[in-house]
Amino acid sequence: GQNIDQPTEMTATEGAIVQINCTYQTSGFNGLFWYQQHAGEAPTFLSYNVLDGLEEKGRFSSFLSRSKGYSYLLLKELQMKDSASYLCAALDSNYQLIWGAGTKLIIKP
Amino acid sequence: GAVVSQHPSWVICKSGTSVKIECRSLDFQATTMFWYRQFPKQSLMLMATSNEGSKATYEQGVEKDKFLINHASLTLSTLTVTSAHPEDSSFYICSARQREADTQYFGPGTRLTVL
Repeated sequence: GQNIDQPTEMTATEGAIVQINCTYQTSGFNGLFWYQQHAGEAPTFLSYNVLDGLEEKGRFSSFLSRSKGYSYLLLKELQMKDSASYLCAALDSNYQLIWGAGTKLIIKP
Repeated sequence: GAVVSQHPSWVICKSGTSVKIECRSLDFQATTMFWYRQFPKQSLMLMATSNEGSKATYEQGVEKDKFLINHASLTLSTLTVTSAHPEDSSFYICSARQREADTQYFGPGTRLTVL
């Protein structure tokens, strides 16, 4: 079957760095997405990785290892507004997104 | 990034009535649109996938006669919740993409409350 695993909840301190891990098992693979979702709002696109390696975009970076079925989202210089759920989703061979349950990130002052 | 709009943002209706939700891609042609439902503190649940000009593909457990989806143009899809009941109260979110490997961009969501 197809499966995405990510931690349910993480806590970090304002100004610090946090890494949210995601492992996936899918029928085929066409890329890995990260979305941010604030409470009561729809998800917003953060990043897309299809090749191995690190993609950096400002304070956020995303890493992919296809051989390990593994990705992480790295958030630097955390701000209170980064408190949200972070959703990992893998695109399978049918170009369907398989969603993780999301990681709720709590930022403390 | 691409912009997807959704209307209405919220709706309150009486049990037994039908509610239509519109999803529009504003600056790109969406060959595929997706409809999701999300209950409080739960993850996104895909309800159906619709390709422009063809019938929607519903996920297992989603009643196609209750949740009518129309994707008549490359920029508009509608979801009609027919004979809504309180258990249909949820956050309904659409997303759209242009091509298969493209990013899905989400509308802002519609909060439906059925009394």
